[in-house]
Amino acid sequence: DTEVTQTPKHLVMGMTNKKSLKCEQHMGHRAMYWYKQKAKKPPELMFVYSYEKLSINESVPSRFSPECPNSSLLNLHLHALQPEDSALYLCASSHRGREGRTEAFFGQGTRLTVV
Amino acid sequence: QKEVEQNSGPLSVPEGAIASLNCTYSDRGSQSFFWYRQYSGKSPELIMFIYSNGDKEDGRFTAQLNKASQYVSLLIRDSQPSDSATYLCAVIVKTDKLIFGTGTRLQVFP
Repeated sequence: DTEVTQTPKHLVMGMTNKKSLKCEQHMGHRAMYWYKQKAKKPPELMFVYSYEKLSINESVPSRFSPECPNSSLLNLHLHALQPEDSALYLCASSHRGREGRTEAFFGQGTRLTVV
Repeated sequence: QKEVEQNSGPLSVPEGAIASLNCTYSDRGSQSFFWYRQYSGKSPELIMFIYSNGDKEDGRFTAQLNKASQYVSLLIRDSQPSDSATYLCAVIVKTDKLIFGTGTRLQVFP
């Protein structure tokens, strides 16, 4: 099972709404990621959780709030977003094995539209 | 210098030809390298990963890694129109930090 599951697949929210994106994996991977991808651009790293602790925050605005309740789940809480935050949000997980070799898999993404 | 660099393309090749995609990275300590394919509006799909210097083959795809020169490439043999997509190179640049290049758009024409 190399599956990373993201819900919902699509989300439309107003600028005053609060919503959450969810990500789940059962591969035993100890690192989980959130990326933001705008059209015709590569995925841009937002957050990394390693062993359920936030290890990397790429200067993301506080209206995005990540949470890792356990080793299988990763959430991204959204509040007071702007229309320019509309994008594809991707979750990934990875496992670092011998000699630092890492495998990484992505979910199908949540297409977020802020109106 | 960007951590991972790719030529954005588009790279246009005729059907049946070999497509060659290149990527360079800045962190000499990087150990894990990935090629993802992404169709418009879809999430990245892992095609290949490579850890050791040399070539790694999987079907029509060959990944090549040269750590001394800090580049990784992807060859697609017998290119098909269905291979037309954006190809993203990704590198673990430090512990658990997976960074993407800008992607190369490949167009395979009949």
